[in-house]
Amino acid sequence: GAVVSQHPSWVICKSGTSVKIECRSLDFQATTMFWYRQFPKQSLMLMATSNEGSKATYEQGVEKDKFLINHASLTLSTLTVTSAHPEDSSFYICSGRTGGPYEQYFGPGTRLTVT
Amino acid sequence: DQQVKQNSPSLSVQEGRISILNCDYTNSMFDYFLWYKKYPAEGPTFLISISSIKDKNEDGRFTVFLNKSAKHLSLHIVPSQPGDSAVYFCAASAREGAQKLVFGQGTRLTINP
Repeated sequence: GAVVSQHPSWVICKSGTSVKIECRSLDFQATTMFWYRQFPKQSLMLMATSNEGSKATYEQGVEKDKFLINHASLTLSTLTVTSAHPEDSSFYICSGRTGGPYEQYFGPGTRLTVT
Repeated sequence: DQQVKQNSPSLSVQEGRISILNCDYTNSMFDYFLWYKKYPAEGPTFLISISSIKDKNEDGRFTVFLNKSAKHLSLHIVPSQPGDSAVYFCAASAREGAQKLVFGQGTRLTINP
């Protein structure tokens, strides 16, 4: 149980375009979803926390106008990288949390390459 | 400000032996700790966790030890198997606030046959 999927698994886009990444909880309702990014050989850095039906809470230093997060239902959250630049190239991972306070279940990640 | 630290970027262990991965934290508000295993280009997989009211939690080959006075925890894997080769992340959370997970930098474990 507690399976999270992400789509697409990898995407290449041109600089200046926008990219949408979907995160779905397949067998549970995720009251809270989290978005992380990971640079090569580095840790997972939390970007934002979103609760279903409300605005996302962004971590310090994360541009909310650049990384648009929508958590429209208990099973779907989306991250849109707007006007992508090469420095946005990274591995983006989402996670969902059920009723329990701590444990998060992670998706497989999305590799974004901006050329 | 790295609140969760894994000071060993890599560890190599012989198959069948014990693997010990270490993690230190600085924030005394953390009261729940988790270990995740991650393969390249995949999301982390939850392994085992421990609450701050305990000092040990065991699940099969995996045991996590917590030393609150030293702000240190460790993950023991015994016996180590080739399939255990992966990057292991330690994470911590606090009951107060958004209960976000704060991750360490990860330790790459290699099990040699």
